[in-house]
Amino acid sequence: EPEVTQTPSHQVTQMGQEVILRCVPISNHLYFYWYRQILGQKVEFLVSFYNNEISEKSEIFDDQFSVERPDGSNFTLKIRSTKLEDSAMYFCASSTLQWNTEAFFGQGTRLTVV
Amino acid sequence: SQQGEEDPQALSIQEGENATMNCSYKTSINNLQWYRQNSGRGLVHLILIRSNEREKHSGRLRVTLDTSKKSSSLLITASRAADTASYFCATDPNRDDKIIFGKGTRLHILP
Repeated sequence: EPEVTQTPSHQVTQMGQEVILRCVPISNHLYFYWYRQILGQKVEFLVSFYNNEISEKSEIFDDQFSVERPDGSNFTLKIRSTKLEDSAMYFCASSTLQWNTEAFFGQGTRLTVV
Repeated sequence: SQQGEEDPQALSIQEGENATMNCSYKTSINNLQWYRQNSGRGLVHLILIRSNEREKHSGRLRVTLDTSKKSSSLLITASRAADTASYFCATDPNRDDKIIFGKGTRLHILP
């Protein structure tokens, strides 16, 4: 069964460093998303991406964040200068349609900023 | 204020019993989805119910949606130890390009 894959599963980084989280969405999906979940808290929307551009972003997704689809398969989230409060699980998701369809999530990348 | 809020926050039941979790939301929606998350793991899609549907079944899962009350329920029948997880409702607000998760219900099935 097709699935969304994320790498790495766990990333530890020094505060102020840049990190890139990688995702390979399901191949025929057109809509891509990043969500995060701070430990013990709810899953929060960060950004959605379609047709090579951001279609919506939350207030969490500030100038420190960027997304890119560098080729036909990868979808990346970059955090330019990490802060301690960026420590969280980051989930990538993809879907075939924009509305009225399920989003398939990856297993997540646990980011720890020290 | 939260778009999706589940209750209870935590639920412990004996194996074999039925588990019911509820979700309330605030704005009009295209659909409502339920996801499961095992501890520290990814989100697994369970079921999607559209705004024009009232009830949907999938195996041991039964989901209801009442758009007049802006609420949904997830029923897991004949619970098993493997059902121990957090369960989230997620709504797809009209014309919004995202889904919004509630805080989840932590379900613990006792042997």
